[in-house]
Amino acid sequence: GQNIDQPTEMTATEGAIVQINCTYQTSGFNGLFWYQQHAGEAPTFLSYNVLDGLEEKGRFSSFLSRSKGYSYLLLKELQMKDSASYLCAVRAYRDDKIIFGKGTRLHILP
Amino acid sequence: DSGVTQTPKHLITATGQRVTLRCSPRSGDLSVYWYQQSLDQGLQFLIQYYNGEERAKGNILERFSAQQFPDLHSELNLSSLELGDSALYFCASSVGSGGYGYTFGSGTRLTVV
Repeated sequence: GQNIDQPTEMTATEGAIVQINCTYQTSGFNGLFWYQQHAGEAPTFLSYNVLDGLEEKGRFSSFLSRSKGYSYLLLKELQMKDSASYLCAVRAYRDDKIIFGKGTRLHILP
Repeated sequence: DSGVTQTPKHLITATGQRVTLRCSPRSGDLSVYWYQQSLDQGLQFLIQYYNGEERAKGNILERFSAQQFPDLHSELNLSSLELGDSALYFCASSVGSGGYGYTFGSGTRLTVV
């Protein structure tokens, strides 16, 4: 089975940087995903890591360490619109489905 | 518009009733996934279909069933509804086996009263 842990809530200030951590356990590994979800809306894809290292995409970066079962999502130059839940998700080897963590609700203060 | 269409957007029904949720995947996508999201549980995987065949099953109750039709749209049937079934139900689609993740529809909010 799979187990994904991430903090329930975090608070940060507009313009700052925040790092959201995710640890996972899975039988086999075939990719880690980060999704953003605003309240009542559909999750939207942010990033995908399958190899160790950092993937940068604009203000968002995602890091993966497969040996440690660890990932983080780094959000820079925070904006009020970044207030949302951030979902860490993993896909097991030979699997199509993605299993999601419970998400981290990020609050941005002006 | 993500390209994944879910209907209806909202549904209010009474306990004991049966409802059908519909999902049309993005053009060209063969896989459809159903998820349930309630306040405390996060996104829970229910079931996956690939090109008309059931591919994977998650924590789907026996009262729930799904199918994918030849035109690749999918329906999730929920019966003998209970108050605890109130949730957002999301459908997602992808091209095929795994790949780069998938795209979600806007969801159906089910309220059981």
